[in-house]
Amino acid sequence: SQQGEEDPQALSIQEGENATMNCSYKTSINNLQWYRQNSGRGLVHLILIRSNEREKHSGRLRVTLDTSKKSSSLLITASRAADTASYFCATDNSWGKLQFGAGTQVVVTP
Amino acid sequence: GAGVSQSPSNKVTEKGKDVELRCDPISGHTALYWYRQSLGQGLEFLIYFQGNSAPDKSGLPSDRFSAERTGGSVSTLTIQRTQQEDSAVYLCASSSYGGTEAFFGQGTRLTVV
Repeated sequence: SQQGEEDPQALSIQEGENATMNCSYKTSINNLQWYRQNSGRGLVHLILIRSNEREKHSGRLRVTLDTSKKSSSLLITASRAADTASYFCATDNSWGKLQFGAGTQVVVTP
Repeated sequence: GAGVSQSPSNKVTEKGKDVELRCDPISGHTALYWYRQSLGQGLEFLIYFQGNSAPDKSGLPSDRFSAERTGGSVSTLTIQRTQQEDSAVYLCASSSYGGTEAFFGQGTRLTVV
């Protein structure tokens, strides 16, 4: 079973626009992470936000976490064609087991 | 090596045969994960190893699937009597300890014909 669910399933935007995707989860967590996957192979870690943090930035990425609503959002600002990928959230329970959502497919057109 | 290595990259096998997939994690990483991903789908959790603790096998889909991690390093995922529905990309990841940033291998694409 999957712990996180991303929304939307797919997102198509133009270069320069912002992309926002959301993740909802079911049980309490230690932290929440976002990953990117290109061409269906290995995932790359983007950012980790701890359960006691509410917002975190890394370059053009901004992540928020609302533990009361069990949800997180990932914002990519000023998107580029190279941002075209699938984005996954992953939650860590107290035992360190990472569970992933179904992902959001983002297409950025020039 | 500098990253997580998986072998083989691709495996085509006949239905009913057994297959072994290998994962070499980053040296010193105590946590190791296996996931399965079907085309266009999310990552399905299979098994999680953390140090010397008993592994979390709760994601293994049937008793045809097993995994071991020898000496806290290399891991092997074995699928016995493969079925067509086992066709997928099998991804391995490791992290310094459970719940921290995970580093993924490039996966093994398994095709059962």
